[in-house]
Amino acid sequence: GQSLEQPSEVTAVEGAIVQINCTYQTSGFYGLSWYQQHDGGAPTFLSYNALDGLEETGRFSSFLSRSDSYGYLLLQELQMKDSASYFCAVSQAGTALIFGKGTTLSVSS
Amino acid sequence: DAGVIQSPRHEVTEMGQEVTLRCKPISGHNSLFWYRQTMMRGLELLIYFNNNVPIDDSGMPEDRFSAKMPNASFSTLKIQPSEPRDSAVYFCASSFRQGTTYEQYFGPGTRLTVT
Repeated sequence: GQSLEQPSEVTAVEGAIVQINCTYQTSGFYGLSWYQQHDGGAPTFLSYNALDGLEETGRFSSFLSRSDSYGYLLLQELQMKDSASYFCAVSQAGTALIFGKGTTLSVSS
Repeated sequence: DAGVIQSPRHEVTEMGQEVTLRCKPISGHNSLFWYRQTMMRGLELLIYFNNNVPIDDSGMPEDRFSAKMPNASFSTLKIQPSEPRDSAVYFCASSFRQGTTYEQYFGPGTRLTVT
């Protein structure tokens, strides 16, 4: 079968750095995506890693280690507007994305 | 450009009634996905289409659920008869082509309440 594990909640303060981890177990793995969802809104695409290493997009970076079946989303210079749920999702052969249960990030001042 | 359009945004119905949710994907996208989101189960894929053809419907909970995509610009998800446990937010999403399904564009969702 397939499974994704990510923490259910993370808290941090403005200006801090936070890392949201994701471990996965799946066959036919293609890559790992990250999505952000604000309360009451729709998920929006943040990043995708198909190869090992770090991808940086502004304040957000995403990392993948295929050998460890592990990835993380790194958020730097946290702002109040970053308070949201963050989902990792795996792309695999023959099917669409499989989403994790999500991590709720709360940023306080 | 318009994003993914879903209607209605909110639906309240009584148990046993038929519910039809509608989705218009982004023009030029040829993969379409229906998801259901609840606190307990998270974001679940129900079905996805590629070039209007259903590819994987293994996530459809039971025979009460059906989905169609008669053309590239329209899809429906129907629940008949509806039950209280169907209450959830239903999202439609589209992506440009099958090889890039990792980047999906979600509609605003339909919040369904079945009493």
